[in-house]
Amino acid sequence: SAVISQKPSRDICQRGTSLTIQCQVDSQVTMMFWYRQQPGQSLTLIATANQGSEATYESGFVIDKFPISRPNLTFSTLTVSNMSPEDSSIYLCSVDVGSGRAATPEQYFGPGTRLTVT
Amino acid sequence: AQSVTQPDIHITVSEGASLELRCNYSYGATPYLFWYVQSPGQGLQLLLKYFSGDTLVQGIKGFEAEFKRSQSSFNLRKPSVHWSDAAEYFCAVGGTDKLIFGTGTRLQVFP
Repeated sequence: SAVISQKPSRDICQRGTSLTIQCQVDSQVTMMFWYRQQPGQSLTLIATANQGSEATYESGFVIDKFPISRPNLTFSTLTVSNMSPEDSSIYLCSVDVGSGRAATPEQYFGPGTRLTVT
Repeated sequence: AQSVTQPDIHITVSEGASLELRCNYSYGATPYLFWYVQSPGQGLQLLLKYFSGDTLVQGIKGFEAEFKRSQSSFNLRKPSVHWSDAAEYFCAVGGTDKLIFGTGTRLQVFP
């Protein structure tokens, strides 16, 4: 398993501003993921962040809006840029700690960052 | 296309009653299947996972799930629900690159 922390836990921001969310994990992991959970909805993958390479974005998400950094194997940041009320969501990071020779996936999630844009 | 369907948006059960949450998936290869639980204001906690082998898998908190390939299903069960089980439950399917989540089932437990 993995213990994951996120900062901030919540924030209220004005439209047009940017917020950077931090994700810290207690062990070295190769694969980290950023998800968005809009109010009352399921989780949607924003991007995959592997250390040493550029983040891979899912359809509908672009780097200019959601720049991601992955400076080492225990840390990542997601920035929500030029925010609008539609960006109000919970943002969660996760890590894959798949183990064994089969390298089966096993994702653990952080507690989330609840963002409200006014 | 890869997808997960959780047909039940909201389920209400009495404490002590049995529970079954449904999950159907569409996936091109042999899937990895997961159930997560999200309590209010919390992140997601992994309940159990299926990769291969025994189709009945045991998880934490007394939950189990059964993989049925012929029905493309991975239903979650618990023989006796506790009030603390009230939460949102998500089924997910995927591989080593990403997970696809269902829309979730909200479980309400009455005393």
